[in-house]
Amino acid sequence: DAKTTQPPSMDCAEGRAANLPCNHSTISGNEYVYWYRQIHSQGPQYIIHGLKNNETNEMASLIITEDRKSSTLILPHATLRDTAVYYCIVSSSARQLTFGSGTQLTVLP
Amino acid sequence: EAQVTQNPRYLITVTGKKLTVTCSQNMNHEYMSWYRQDPGLGLRQIYYSMNVEVTDKGDVPEGYKVSRKEKRNFPLILESPSPNQTSLYFCASSRDNQNYGYTFGSGTRLTVV
Repeated sequence: DAKTTQPPSMDCAEGRAANLPCNHSTISGNEYVYWYRQIHSQGPQYIIHGLKNNETNEMASLIITEDRKSSTLILPHATLRDTAVYYCIVSSSARQLTFGSGTQLTVLP
Repeated sequence: EAQVTQNPRYLITVTGKKLTVTCSQNMNHEYMSWYRQDPGLGLRQIYYSMNVEVTDKGDVPEGYKVSRKEKRNFPLILESPSPNQTSLYFCASSRDNQNYGYTFGSGTRLTVV
């Protein structure tokens, strides 16, 4: 599976959009981009995934660049409860995921 | 409520004493998996199962066993626990479909002394 690079930490003001970047320059054609988050030591929570088109669901939007070498997860109106570690994962299988160190997002009041 | 239930939440045990961490899901998911999480190492997959009686090794299977006799249950067995198995363990389940993500349990914090 392709390796991903994420900033170790980010801050965001409550009510503003949180934009979390992820680089995956070695992604191959059959690999998806998955995003999960983990609040403190709770079980990770699935957020969204995509192959090459932008995706949106009730939690977030995923923007994938045309060359698929990077992506951005957007939380449109961040709340304090969105404070968590966000993992960007690239894999050809939704079931065998390798979680890296992720980005610690802190939403500030 | 759709969920993955792990038990126990916390466990302290001694080296060599066999233990089982149970995992049960009520969503009729085909796919189940065990992960461990350690500081600085992230989440690593231990074992996974694609359906009843079908299991396979993940990235760090040494020292662990699993079984999948029923669709809903996927216990993790440590035959002879050692201190390096002290960790936070998560069970997860999913439909066998690329369009669905995992649902994770709340975790089991295991300490082996």
